[in-house]
Amino acid sequence: DGGITQSPKYLFRKEGQNVTLSCEQNLNHDAMYWYRQDPGQGLRLIYYSQIVNDFQKGDIAEGYSVSREKKESFPLTVTSAQKNPTAFYLCASSIGGPNEQFFGPGTRLTVL
Amino acid sequence: GQQLNQSPQSMFIQEGEDVSMNCTSSSIFNTWLWYKQDPGEGPVLLIALYKAGELTSNGRLTAQFGITRKDSFLNISASIPSDVGIYFCAGQRMGQGAQKLVFGQGTRLTINP
Repeated sequence: DGGITQSPKYLFRKEGQNVTLSCEQNLNHDAMYWYRQDPGQGLRLIYYSQIVNDFQKGDIAEGYSVSREKKESFPLTVTSAQKNPTAFYLCASSIGGPNEQFFGPGTRLTVL
Repeated sequence: GQQLNQSPQSMFIQEGEDVSMNCTSSSIFNTWLWYKQDPGEGPVLLIALYKAGELTSNGRLTAQFGITRKDSFLNISASIPSDVGIYFCAGQRMGQGAQKLVFGQGTRLTINP
């Protein structure tokens, strides 16, 4: 089955630690995205990548970093510089441009 | 970043009722998308719209791309308990920022049996 996987579903970290969230897709999509969702809020774009080895900052990139070494994978690192990292993180992919993005199941990150 | 104005923010209805929600913006959009999100899950794409005036259905769901290109509407007919969730609109703007989707704040739908 084609789809997007994110792991783990729940993640707990101590304040000051970096943490990397995984996102893998087997849809052969070129573009991949990372969003952050806070309770009762919409989705805010962190980073996106339209092609391997290239990525751009979204609206709230500060305190985050990404890499796109393979077409299938787009990991997100939440660094200690992110002031309020506790949130629900969603990864998405699309075949080309931003249209019709398909989302993974999300990772809920809690920083203690 | 810009967000779309989505309304209402929440709805409480009886099972069997019809539902209407909308998204508006001051900018012109190329594409409108409607998603549904269940608690603790990722959003699922319901309907995609690509032309001004386009009316598209997916089962009991019907969505329209506004003729001004600045708004979109989603209707759900004869609601059932599994319709409960948060509905998001999203759009691709023309021109600057066209590489990204802009999302509404969501409409939370609650159904009383």
